[in-house]
Amino acid sequence: GNSVTQMEGPVTLSEEAFLTINCTYTATGYPSLFWYVQYPGEGLQLLLKATKADDKGSNKGFEATYRKETTSFHLEKGSVQVSDSAVYFCALNVNNFNKFYFGSGTKLNVKP
Amino acid sequence: GAGVSQSPSNKVTEKGKDVELRCDPISGHTALYWYRQSLGQGLEFLIYFQGNSAPDKSGLPSDRFSAERTGGSVSTLTIQRTQQEDSAVYLCASSFASGSYNEQFFGPGTRLTVL
Repeated sequence: GNSVTQMEGPVTLSEEAFLTINCTYTATGYPSLFWYVQYPGEGLQLLLKATKADDKGSNKGFEATYRKETTSFHLEKGSVQVSDSAVYFCALNVNNFNKFYFGSGTKLNVKP
Repeated sequence: GAGVSQSPSNKVTEKGKDVELRCDPISGHTALYWYRQSLGQGLEFLIYFQGNSAPDKSGLPSDRFSAERTGGSVSTLTIQRTQQEDSAVYLCASSFASGSYNEQFFGPGTRLTVL
């Protein structure tokens, strides 16, 4: 079947630390991959996406590379800020159909 | 312009009662999605609308759940005879068109508590 597994949180980092949030997927067809972010008190919003293998999505200093060989789409940022504190969701779409599969979310806390 | 809005923001109800949750998508967005987020869980897809039709209802957890969309705009998710396990945050999202190339814009959600 189709599913997304992401690392459990919370993840607590100091400002300027390096961030990795792991995401792996299983898909029965051709996947597109997404990261969404939910800041405190706000709705989910798209952070970045990649629609084919080896593509790198990037936005606001965050990056994720679609790795078909490892079925992964890990989120990274070189230097986190307090303002990056949020819940991050990895998501999958298969064959450009209209059903999206979301992971359980990873809460990131960045301390000054 | 206005984003996706949902009402009510919070709903507390007693077991066995019916509830209606409303979603106002972004004007001009033809695709509309409902998701459920239970505590500690990811977003669970419930139903998808393209215009007024719902080609994919596969995520509705039981026949107590139904949804409609009128005029290609507002959508209502109805839960009949609510159960405690229905307690969750219900999220609505809309996009300009369907498929993975079109960004989904999410509303703030309705937090449903069934006592």
